[in-house]
Amino acid sequence: DAKTTQPNSMESNEEEPVHLPCNHSTISGTDYIHWYRQLPSQGPEYVIHGLTSNVNNRMASLAIAEDRKSSTLILHRATLRDAAVYYCILRDVNFGNEKLTFGTGTRLTIIP
Amino acid sequence: GAGVSQSPSNKVTEKGKDVELRCDPISGHTALYWYRQSLGQGLEFLIYFQGNSAPDKSGLPSDRFSAERTGGSVSTLTIQRTQQEDSAVYLCASSLRQGVAFFGQGTRLTVV
Repeated sequence: DAKTTQPNSMESNEEEPVHLPCNHSTISGTDYIHWYRQLPSQGPEYVIHGLTSNVNNRMASLAIAEDRKSSTLILHRATLRDAAVYYCILRDVNFGNEKLTFGTGTRLTIIP
Repeated sequence: GAGVSQSPSNKVTEKGKDVELRCDPISGHTALYWYRQSLGQGLEFLIYFQGNSAPDKSGLPSDRFSAERTGGSVSTLTIQRTQQEDSAVYLCASSLRQGVAFFGQGTRLTVV
């Protein structure tokens, strides 16, 4: 399975942008990059996903490096409700990674 | 319902007893996942169902754990002869194949 590497923790000030990095140097051409987050005492929730091009939705933006070996989840204006563990996951579009394997993620702390 | 529903939300059982945890996925979702999360830890994959295919049971930690999915919908995770190390939050998720996964709120199992 392709693996991802994320920092264990990050801090950010409230109302500032947050850039959460993810390295996936062994990514294959058919792997989508998915991000999920887990708020305290809740199940994980989907944030965003992409293949090659940068993606935007109402929650966040996903910036994907040209060689696809890394990506960055961008929260444009962090709020206290964004404090969570953020997981970067690879999913093979050709059904090669059915398990949806979660790593340890990045614990994001928002400072008021 | 609109989301993934798990029951019970909390379960306290005595060591050695059997427990059954239930997951009602989102209607029409062909894929169903079970994970467990021990206190302060990441998500550990347990089992994956996809349509009528044989389930991926590679994450089940011992033969005391089993799961079934009836009629391609509701799933039950059974833990026989529970041990204290089985105490965790058990999370269920469903998705369309290779689609976004939606998680339930989990069942918190405590073995005393």
